[in-house]
Amino acid sequence: EDQVTQSPEALRLQEGESSSLNCSYTVSGLRGLFWYRQDPGKGPEFLFTLYSAGEEKEKERLKATLTKKESFLHITAPKPEDSATYLCAVQDKPLYGNKLVFGAGTILRVKS
Amino acid sequence: DTGVSQNPRHKITKRGQNVTFRCDPISEHNRLYWYRQTLGQGPEFLTYFQNEAQLEKSRLLSDRFSAERPKGSFSTLEIQRTEQGDSAMYLCASSPAGVNEKLFFGSGTQLSVL
Repeated sequence: EDQVTQSPEALRLQEGESSSLNCSYTVSGLRGLFWYRQDPGKGPEFLFTLYSAGEEKEKERLKATLTKKESFLHITAPKPEDSATYLCAVQDKPLYGNKLVFGAGTILRVKS
Repeated sequence: DTGVSQNPRHKITKRGQNVTFRCDPISEHNRLYWYRQTLGQGPEFLTYFQNEAQLEKSRLLSDRFSAERPKGSFSTLEIQRTEQGDSAMYLCASSPAGVNEKLFFGSGTQLSVL
């Protein structure tokens, strides 16, 4: 069964203090690894998709990387508006659809 | 692209009552998913539709839960005889056909069972 484990559960940073979030996964055959951002009371918002080990993607202060067992979301010089829950999810090779299996998320708080 | 729309945003009900939620996906998306999310957890898959056909259901989905997608457009999720453990955020998502397509989520319906 697919498993996704995210660490740490929560992270507090000062504005400008760079750090990384971890996502470890176990799947029978990875089709894609997804990062989403979720603000309180809202649905997840898509950030990145990674498909193969060694792949990297960037968007503003965020950079996602992928290995065969884990993914990292690097946050460079974060701002208070980056505060949110960051969710990692994997897409297996199912019979149908593009179902995602999510981790529990990392709650990020950036203080000014 | 108006996004995925869910109604109502909030629902408070008493234990034992039936509730129904509605999801309107992005118009050109033929795939629709329901997820449930409790506090401190990531979304958990409930069920998946391709057009009007319900192709996959999680074993988490008890007999009290039923979902429909008539004519492959909007979808409804009904919970019968609600229990306090059903309190959660119910999220709907849609995606285009095709491999590796990302899911677009609505803002969810927050259910509180008293």
